[in-house]
Amino acid sequence: QKEVEQNSGPLSVPEGAIASLNCTYSDRGSQSFFWYRQYSGKSPELIMSIYSNGDKEDGRFTAQLNKASQYVSLLIRDSQPSDSATYLCAFNAGGTSYGKLTFGQGTILTVHP
Amino acid sequence: GAVVSQHPSWVICKSGTSVKIECRSLDFQATTMFWYRQFPKQSLMLMATSNEGSKATYEQGVEKDKFLINHASLTLSTLTVTSAHPEDSSFYICSARPIQGVETQYFGPGTRLLVL
Repeated sequence: QKEVEQNSGPLSVPEGAIASLNCTYSDRGSQSFFWYRQYSGKSPELIMSIYSNGDKEDGRFTAQLNKASQYVSLLIRDSQPSDSATYLCAFNAGGTSYGKLTFGQGTILTVHP
Repeated sequence: GAVVSQHPSWVICKSGTSVKIECRSLDFQATTMFWYRQFPKQSLMLMATSNEGSKATYEQGVEKDKFLINHASLTLSTLTVTSAHPEDSSFYICSARPIQGVETQYFGPGTRLLVL
């Protein structure tokens, strides 16, 4: 089993719709979870971090964490063409790997006008 | 805040030469910096964890004698690709983790290396 699995893409949504990105992880010791956005040819940029169960909202972005189900998601409301990118979920590994980020393979999102 | 820079952004070199890439945290101190490599259409692969004042910790399969890492200060880490070969051509990205209690890693803009 892979450590991090993201919903397979690519994901295509129309402008103004809600884009839903999902991620499951296998390390129960994980405490910190992150969503990064990576435009083609660029490095990742942090969108959201979430540490507690429940929802965390920041503008058009909502991250949801369910540690019991080992599941984290990212909702993008009112999607814009500028949101088209690869979205990477990552978690901060526990135990001896504390501090390192483990990344999913990424989900390519395309928002079409 | 939380800006990380990398230099150079692009480098083209001949096979057999060495290339040094710098990673700097501009507005915060970082005890830990990370070096990643990303091949086209693939996710980030962690190469090594760099701690200020101590030896880097390399991931399995990464040659420490080929990828030399130095973390001389709380704001600077360098990666030197020694005797570069075409298969080392990749996108190298560093990240920095702030010194105090924050788990987040902030990424530099990356360095594209092309070895001819």
